[in-house]
This record gives sequence, structure tokens and C-alpha cells, in this order.
Amino acid sequence: DTGVSQNPRHKITKRGQNVTFRCDPISEHNRLYWYRQTLGQGPEFLTYFQNEAQLEKSRLLSDRFSAERPKGSFSTLEIQRTEQGDSAMYLCASSLGSGGFRQFFGPGTRLTVL
Amino acid sequence: DQQVKQNSPSLSVQEGRISILNCDYTNSMFDYFLWYKKYPAEGPTFLISISSIKDKNEDGRFTVFLNKSAKHLSLHIVPSQPGDSAVYFCAALIQGAQKLVFGQGTRLTINP
Repeated sequence: DTGVSQNPRHKITKRGQNVTFRCDPISEHNRLYWYRQTLGQGPEFLTYFQNEAQLEKSRLLSDRFSAERPKGSFSTLEIQRTEQGDSAMYLCASSLGSGGFRQFFGPGTRLTVL
Repeated sequence: DQQVKQNSPSLSVQEGRISILNCDYTNSMFDYFLWYKKYPAEGPTFLISISSIKDKNEDGRFTVFLNKSAKHLSLHIVPSQPGDSAVYFCAALIQGAQKLVFGQGTRLTINP
């Protein structure tokens, strides 16, 4: 059973550095989502892909954030010029477009910006 | 604006008893609701869902109730087991949109 995988699981970086996270969805899932979770809060939606097309972006996604999903398979989330406020758990989820509304989540990447 | 609220940050229940987790929402456009469970160092795991055309959905020990007029839903777990100890998130969406809107979560602890 290959679920959603995310790499790295943990990332510590210094303020101002760029970081990139990777998400590999469940293989047959055509929809992929990124969420961010901070301490004591639920996950907050960042962006969503259907196949390779990025169809929705939250206003939380500043211009320092960019996400891609080349060829509609894995996805990357890049944060440029990281700030301490970017410290959070970044969660990826995937779903099958015709399979209802259940989203399957990966274990997340915890980012700490020093 | 917190459109989905879980007002109880934590809940402690004795093993074998019923656990009731509550969730309120403000956006009347939400028409599908889900509960997720999260263990430490893992991503949220889907538990149960309900469409707004229903008022109850049951799956084994888990039942979700929806009161649309009150914009309130609840998750009942009976009987509660030690393995149910986790953080529970309520989530909502508008069918046709794709983003889940989550509550803040409730940490459930089942005591032996």
C-alpha cells in the first residue's frame, strides 16, 4: 500500500534561504493539494492541482511560494527567502477526481526557519 | 475568519464510554463534512464523512451527526478505546470546490 509520501520529513534552514519540498501522491490520483499547519491550528489550504494544472491558490501563498506538478505526477513546493513565520508543517494530500471528496494526506514536512 | 470551529481543545474520556467531539461552522454554503484523525508525526487520516443531505452517518464505532439549522456537527465514538487517543479535525467543503476548511482540532485522550 503506497500512500502519499513527502520528502524531506524535516528541514531546518536559516532565514533568507530557499527550500524545496517534494510530494509523491498515490499513483492513480489526479488531484494534489498542499496545506500548511501551524501549532494548535488545523491545516490551511495553500494550493491545488488537477493533473499538471494549478487550479487554485490561497491568498496565503505569497509570491515567495511556488508550486509545480510537472507531468501531473509528483509535486514540489518551493519557498524563497524563507522567513521565521514560514515555520510550519507542510502537508500534501491527493485524491481521485471521480472518487468523492476524501483527501489522503502524507506525513508532512516540518520546516523550521532559524 | 474561522469558518469551522472546534471549541474544545481537549477532551478526556474513560475507556469504554462514549466520546463526543463537536464542530460548528459559519458558512452555509458548506455541503460536505469530514472528520480526520491525526497521530503525532503522521498526516491526518480520514475517519468518516457526511453529506448535507443527510443528518447521520454511521461506520462501526463512529457516527457523525449533522444539524444544518444549527450549523453543528458531532462525532460520536462508542465504545472509546485507548487507540482512539489522537487529535481529531473537523473539515468542511463546498462541493465543486476542492479545498478542505479545517477546524483547530480537539485532542482526545482515552483513559484506561
